[in-house]
Amino acid sequence: QKEVEQNSGPLSVPEGAIASLNCTYSDRGSQSFFWYRQYSGKSPELIMFIYSNGDKEDGRFTAQLNKASQYVSLLIRDSQPSDSATYLCAVRASYDKVIFGPGTSLSVIP
Amino acid sequence: GAVVSQHPSWVICKSGTSVKIECRSLDFQATTMFWYRQFPKQSLMLMATSNEGSKATYEQGVEKDKFLINHASLTLSTLTVTSAHPEDSSFYICSARDPDSTGELFFGEGSRLTVL
Repeated sequence: QKEVEQNSGPLSVPEGAIASLNCTYSDRGSQSFFWYRQYSGKSPELIMFIYSNGDKEDGRFTAQLNKASQYVSLLIRDSQPSDSATYLCAVRASYDKVIFGPGTSLSVIP
Repeated sequence: GAVVSQHPSWVICKSGTSVKIECRSLDFQATTMFWYRQFPKQSLMLMATSNEGSKATYEQGVEKDKFLINHASLTLSTLTVTSAHPEDSSFYICSARDPDSTGELFFGEGSRLTVL
């Protein structure tokens, strides 16, 4: 079983819609969860981090964490074409390494 | 967020030569830095954890004699790809964790290596 799993996509949403990105992880002892955005040919940039169960909102982005289900998600409201990128879910495992999922490619259609 | 700088951003070399990539934390001291490798359309794969003043910890399957890591100071880690071959062509990215932050990784700009 892979440590961090995501739907590879591509996920296409119309401009202004909500994009929903999902991630599951296998290490139940994981404590920290991150969402990174990566444009083609560029390094990842941090969008959100979350540690506690529930929702965390920052502007158009909402991260949701459910440790019992080992599930973390990212919602992007009012999606813009500039949001088109690959979104990487990352998990800081109980052994302190940060493991990345395969990424979900998002395309926002104008 | 914390700033991590990586150099060079791209490099082309001949097969059999060695290439050094530098990673610097600009506004914080990083006792630990991480080196990732990314092939096209794939995710980041952790290669090794660089520890200041001690030997790096390599992930399973990563050749430590081929990918030499040196972390000589609290702000600089280097990755040297020795005797590079075309299959080593990849995007190499370093990252560091600001000890004063909440644990997230900050990434350098990445170095794209092409071995001819």
